[in-house]
Amino acid sequence: GAVVSQHPSRVICKSGTSVKIECRSLDFQATTMFWYRQFPKQSLMLMATSNEGSKATYEQGVEKDKFLINHASLTLSTLTVTSAHPEDSSFYICSARDWQGEETQYFGPGTRLLVL
Amino acid sequence: AQSVTQLGSHVSVSEGALVLLRCNYSSSVPPYLFWYVQYPNQGLQLLLKYTTGATLVKGINGFEAEFKKSETSFHLTKPSAHMSDAAEYFCAVTLYNQGGKLIFGQGTELSVKP
Repeated sequence: GAVVSQHPSRVICKSGTSVKIECRSLDFQATTMFWYRQFPKQSLMLMATSNEGSKATYEQGVEKDKFLINHASLTLSTLTVTSAHPEDSSFYICSARDWQGEETQYFGPGTRLLVL
Repeated sequence: AQSVTQLGSHVSVSEGALVLLRCNYSSSVPPYLFWYVQYPNQGLQLLLKYTTGATLVKGINGFEAEFKKSETSFHLTKPSAHMSDAAEYFCAVTLYNQGGKLIFGQGTELSVKP
């Protein structure tokens, strides 16, 4: 089956630093990747849609200058949390959509970010 | 705009009992529907999906769901619960023209008692 990886799985950083999270589709090409944020005991909140070779589309209320997204290839998208603050602490999950347009998203294992 | 409602944020069943997790959607056009499962501190795993064709869909781990257009429902069932089924379950919907963007329900936590 389709596999999506995320790295790192867990990161702890100091307030004011930037953190990069990678999302890779391992056995398929993904023209579209999605980034979600999940708070404890809550559902997933879509942050942005990332299309290979073009600018990401951000959901309302998500700061594009704070959450930088780069989709450099058909298998890699990165999310950079710039100048992280404690309120950015969360579980970040990416997903990838098969390039053939199959209406299925395959999810990564998530990245736990803790900002001190 | 489409939306998803999962009735019951927490469902508890005994091991071996029927599992029924409810999902209702609203959509002006035929939707694509999904059920995902999430174990603690992990990503989401696809259980099953409905896009077109047969309305009764079978998924992994013995789960199945039936798309009922007249009831705008896509309830998830499993005849006999296993301890390993304890997890968070999310119903999600998208439309063919939404570029794959999923709208999630709020989730249902399933507990299985021995």
